[in-house]
Amino acid sequence: GAGVSQSPRYKVAKRGQDVALRCDPISGHVSLFWYQQALGQGPEFLTYFQNEAQLDKSGLPSDRFFAERPEGSVSTLKIQRTQQEDSAVYLCASSFETENSPLHFGNGTRLTVT
Amino acid sequence: QKEVEQNSGPLSVPEGAIASLNCTYSDRGSQSFFWYRQYSGKSPELIMSIYSNGDKEDGRFTAQLNKASQYVSLLIRDSQPSDSATYLCAVKTNAGKSTFGDGTTLTVKP
Repeated sequence: GAGVSQSPRYKVAKRGQDVALRCDPISGHVSLFWYQQALGQGPEFLTYFQNEAQLDKSGLPSDRFFAERPEGSVSTLKIQRTQQEDSAVYLCASSFETENSPLHFGNGTRLTVT
Repeated sequence: QKEVEQNSGPLSVPEGAIASLNCTYSDRGSQSFFWYRQYSGKSPELIMSIYSNGDKEDGRFTAQLNKASQYVSLLIRDSQPSDSATYLCAVKTNAGKSTFGDGTTLTVKP
């Protein structure tokens, strides 16, 4: 596709529910990143993949958060037993390679946990 | 202390003026530096990238990098109301991930 595609755009979950957020990166982009952005703050790094390998997951806030990219293309961020503090915009970004390439962001998924 | 610090806004300038946005970073191993613009309710989009010391100009935008001082800046000349947005400074190390500041919100008043 022309850009990074994320779905759903909005998700409302009751506390305790599991959610899955999808990211379809730009074709040919090797690297894929997930960020969490709270209102009024900059994006906070969660995890990144190079092809199907998850090279860094140091930003995942707890073991309730899990990300995968099994075929090196589409990625899914899963949050188990959602809590109110998980409410945020989840941004996915992709790039050609990791060193000098800028990030191309999707439109994000706004998660609200009630 | 955050790894990437930006001057706390909001910053307000009149139309046609120069807007100056500043950013400092703590990791001396940082290799690549980016400025992203984020309109309210939208995702960040790349404005400028800079990799070596000095100035880099692109239209009305000039990025400046000083690695010794661990300082990056963005100048916007002839500011327009459409430049009103939050500007995010991002720093990338050779480990791959980009770290963002919290952004500076710029308002350009007609």
